[in-house]
Amino acid sequence: GAGVSQSPSNKVTEKGKDVELRCDPISGHTALYWYRQRLGQGLEFLIYFQGNSAPDKSGLPSDRFSAERTGESVSTLTIQRTQQEDSAVYLCASSLNGGGLNYGYTFGSGTRLTVV
Amino acid sequence: DQQVKQNSPSLSVQEGRISILNCDYTNSMFDYFLWYKKYPAEGPTFLISISSIKDKNEDGRFTVFLNKSAKHLSLHIVPSQPGDSAVYFCAARGEGYQKVTFGIGTKLQVIP
Repeated sequence: GAGVSQSPSNKVTEKGKDVELRCDPISGHTALYWYRQRLGQGLEFLIYFQGNSAPDKSGLPSDRFSAERTGESVSTLTIQRTQQEDSAVYLCASSLNGGGLNYGYTFGSGTRLTVV
Repeated sequence: DQQVKQNSPSLSVQEGRISILNCDYTNSMFDYFLWYKKYPAEGPTFLISISSIKDKNEDGRFTVFLNKSAKHLSLHIVPSQPGDSAVYFCAARGEGYQKVTFGIGTKLQVIP
């Protein structure tokens, strides 16, 4: 597609429920990233996929968070047993070959998750 | 531990004047810096970047300055326009590292 697409755009869930967030990167972009932004905070790195390499999961805040990516296509971020502190805007970004020195990321519009 | 700091949460500037957004970083391994712009309900968009081998990069109305010894960079917008009103994120990356560390953003309002 022309841009990075994320769905849903908004999600309200009850505490304790599982949620799945989806990201469709730009076609041909080998690198895919998940970030989140909680209220009043910066963009927080969660996980990074690059081609068929093992993902960099160093930013995942707990084992309730997991993400998958099939090849160089869609990625799904799953949050199990959601907590109120998980409320945030979850942003997906993709880049060509991990960004390189002359490229930034292209972000999607994000999924606003509210845990009530 | 905020490795990229944007100490001004907001800034108001008159249209036509210069906007200066500041950013400090603590990690000396960072050697590539980026600015992103974000409108409400949209994802951040890449604006301009600078490598640590340079001290200035200019793109139209936008110029980024890097002072590596002070671990400080700034984004200048001249002249500022109402459409520049957005949240600006400073970001940094270390050589060989793919993940980018972002600041908390500065909300710029350009007053017509």
